[in-house]
Amino acid sequence: TQLLEQSPQFLSIQEGENLTVYCNSSSVFSSLQWYRQEPGEGPVLLVTVVTGGEVKKLKRLTFQFGDARKDSSLHITAAQPGDTGLYLCAGSNIYGGATNKLIFGTGTLLAVQP
Amino acid sequence: KAGVTQTPRYLIKTRGQQVTLSCSPISGHRSVSWYQQTPGQGLQFLFEYFSETQRNKGNFPGRFSGRQFSNSRSEMNVSTLELGDSALYLCASSLGLGVGDVNEQFFGPGTRLTVL
Repeated sequence: TQLLEQSPQFLSIQEGENLTVYCNSSSVFSSLQWYRQEPGEGPVLLVTVVTGGEVKKLKRLTFQFGDARKDSSLHITAAQPGDTGLYLCAGSNIYGGATNKLIFGTGTLLAVQP
Repeated sequence: KAGVTQTPRYLIKTRGQQVTLSCSPISGHRSVSWYQQTPGQGLQFLFEYFSETQRNKGNFPGRFSGRQFSNSRSEMNVSTLELGDSALYLCASSLGLGVGDVNEQFFGPGTRLTVL
């Protein structure tokens, strides 16, 4: 069974601070997606990483896929209250065939205080 | 381009009843996946439909079923509802390309089901 563990589970920081969220697994994924979800809404796709070692930047957010494709990280620089939400990593494994099944991480709840 | 729509947004049912949830994917997307989100278990995959065929299924009992229509719209049905079925049910759509392709998935707002 493929599992994705995220850490930390909860994070409360002040506006302007930096933070990193980790997503780890013992399994290899063909790609990994990061989502942000707000209460009562569906997850919103932030980024997809595909290649081992890949780094993608989205404004103040930096995403990295591990060389072995088993882990990923999300770094936020100078966090703002608008970054508040539940951050979810989700892995996909298409090596066994075409599939859109995502294995979701346990989630990191981020609160940025003004 | 319109996003993924789900109806209804909120639903209250009692134990033993059945429920049908609907999902309309993004125009041009052929794959629809369903997920259940609960505080205890997080987001769990229910099943995926592609071109009207179930392509993958998660570890849920047979009370959970779904189907996809020729216009890619999808429905999921839960029969004999239990208290533990209370959850946010999310639908995700993607292009649904073939083997070896990365399919980015886009989620709808979800249907909040409460079972009393």
